[in-house]
Amino acid sequence: KQEVTQIPAALSVPEGENLVLNCSFTDSAIYNLQWFRQDPGKGLTSLLLIQSSQREQTSGRLNASLDKSSGRSTLYIAASQPGDSATYLCAVIAQGGSEKLVFGKGTKLTVNP
Amino acid sequence: NAGVTQTPKFRVLKTGQSMTLLCAQDMNHEYMYWYRQDPGMGLRLIHYSVGEGTTAKGEVPDGYNVSRLKKQNFLLGLESAAPSQTSVYFCASSRQGIYSPLHFGNGTRLTVT
Repeated sequence: KQEVTQIPAALSVPEGENLVLNCSFTDSAIYNLQWFRQDPGKGLTSLLLIQSSQREQTSGRLNASLDKSSGRSTLYIAASQPGDSATYLCAVIAQGGSEKLVFGKGTKLTVNP
Repeated sequence: NAGVTQTPKFRVLKTGQSMTLLCAQDMNHEYMYWYRQDPGMGLRLIHYSVGEGTTAKGEVPDGYNVSRLKKQNFLLGLESAAPSQTSVYFCASSRQGIYSPLHFGNGTRLTVT
């Protein structure tokens, strides 16, 4: 059974700092991995989707990497801003061909001015 | 574009009452999903649809029914609400299923007393 873990559960950093969020999964046979952002009281916003054949994806100040063999992904945020404060979740596709994404419980990021 | 719109935003039900949550998307997506999000449990898939007129069970379908009579709408019904169904419900849609980015609505916060 695929399980996704995100550590730490919460992270607080000063503005301007570069930071890394971690995501690990137990079954390396994944199709892709997605990173989402969730603001309080809102739905999830897709940030980056990495196909299993890719090693990384970049969007602006965000860079996501994928290492299937070790079951890990990282989301790198450069020059963090208070507006980056949110909960970040990762999700992978479970084996079996169903439409099931397995989500981590998220890392709550606070960027302090 | 409005994206994915959920109504209502909040609802309080008494045990045994019924209600329908409405999800509408204007992106012409084939795939639509209903998730619930609970503290400490993460996001779990309730039901999904791969096209107009189709529905399928997800991870936690018991106590819920769904319908997809029109491509743009996906309805989630609770026939006899229970306190265990207190949760935040999210609808999502995508162009190519979970192999492409998911677009989420802002959620419906449901409390069953």
